Amino acid sequence: ETGVTQTPRHLVMGMTNKKSLKCEQHLGHNAMYWYKQSAKKPLELMFVYNFKEQTENNSVPSRFSPECPNSSHLFLHLHTLQPEDSALYLCASSQDTASGGNEQFFGPGTRLTVL
Amino acid sequence: DQQVKQNSPSLSVQEGRISILNCDYTNSMFDYFLWYKKYPAEGPTFLISISSIKDKNEDGRFTVFLNKSAKHLSLHIVPSQPGDSAVYFCAASARTGANNLFFGTGTRLTVIP
Repeated sequence: ETGVTQTPRHLVMGMTNKKSLKCEQHLGHNAMYWYKQSAKKPLELMFVYNFKEQTENNSVPSRFSPECPNSSHLFLHLHTLQPEDSALYLCASSQDTASGGNEQFFGPGTRLTVL
Repeated sequence: DQQVKQNSPSLSVQEGRISILNCDYTNSMFDYFLWYKKYPAEGPTFLISISSIKDKNEDGRFTVFLNKSAKHLSLHIVPSQPGDSAVYFCAASARTGANNLFFGTGTRLTVIP
């Protein structure tokens, strides 16, 4: 595997379900990000982890819970979601966050549908 | 309030001609700008960037121009090829802070053979 991978690629869940999105980066990076892309809206930054520590939570509702067990893996745990949470969820990584301007490398995304 | 704007949702260009994609920003603290390209069912891929100390950066067929006074940047693709058909996102960050990128809504470029 190379680059940034995300699983699953598609997910359909009910509002009472609990599911998790997984992201893995094979680039030796130290920073990882979760973004949300809704229709007709720009990518919205959700969470940032730098060296496994969360450095940014962009006012994301608590029904989204991130986890970063190591610099290569990032999870997004989902529970009691709403239909308006249906979107494309993208994971990205970069060398780190300290030296701003690092290009971020994106995974292919998980297309989430909440019924 | 959106800090990075791409006001043209779509653009069609004939193969071989120039494609010009535009982007405006409002935050004067932004000092690093990037263009990403996205094909369907794939994540965005980095294309080209420019620092605020420059007004032009060129990489092969792709050139990014920055006009700081107008808070405007543009991506020129010449000559355009059918494989360039994709959605192009403009992004900006303030390097003095965290590496947070602020994205525009994207412009869908279609290059007609």
